[in-house]
Amino acid sequence: EIVLTQSPATLSLSPGERATLSCRTSQSVGNYLAWYQRKPGQAPRLLIYQAFNRATGIPARFSGSGSGTDFTLTISSLEPEDFAVYYCQQRSNWPITFGQGTRLEIK
Amino acid sequence: QVQLVESGGGVVQPGGALRLSCAASGFTFSSYGMHWVRQAPGRGLEWVAFIRDDGSYKNSADSVKGRFTISRDNSENTLYLQMTSLRLEDTAMYYCAKSSEAAVAGHFEYWGQGTLVTVSS
Repeated sequence: EIVLTQSPATLSLSPGERATLSCRTSQSVGNYLAWYQRKPGQAPRLLIYQAFNRATGIPARFSGSGSGTDFTLTISSLEPEDFAVYYCQQRSNWPITFGQGTRLEIK
Repeated sequence: QVQLVESGGGVVQPGGALRLSCAASGFTFSSYGMHWVRQAPGRGLEWVAFIRDDGSYKNSADSVKGRFTISRDNSENTLYLQMTSLRLEDTAMYYCAKSSEAAVAGHFEYWGQGTLVTVSS
């Protein structure tokens, strides 16, 4: 099973700041990595797929990068609605696995 | 627009069974793979099972293998998860999710709002 390790566990920032979230995989997943946003009481929402492709309707302030085992989700300038939990997920190998999540909280 | 509506959750005793349903609309259901994903209280997301577009291929997490069965009815645009031999650790919110692909895992393009399963004596 491919293990995904996200860091940091919690990130405290202010609106307008830049957020950088990391996801490291225990073996190469190529570019088969996605990022999801999860807000309380809401279904998860796809943000980025195949490492750097923004999903439909996702604002340009969200960007993804990386390949192999190291990936990054960047939010260029935080909006109030961006404070949530973010998960990375790989689909390179079965079973599909998720990272444990990064909580982005308001400082 | 894509809509996925789960139902069938509830409270069940350990060892019991439950069948979850996911009604899909807004896309050609028979052309896409589908997944079940769960989230236990205070835990992260866990992939549960996948079924390809025509139902001919299925895969599931080791934690549910032999106990949970994923299926679909393309004539009714509905996805199912039959859960048997339920354990306390199966307590979670269960989500159905549309894959971006027909026959392989894909990423989770759209998600339903979830249905809560509580296993408790």
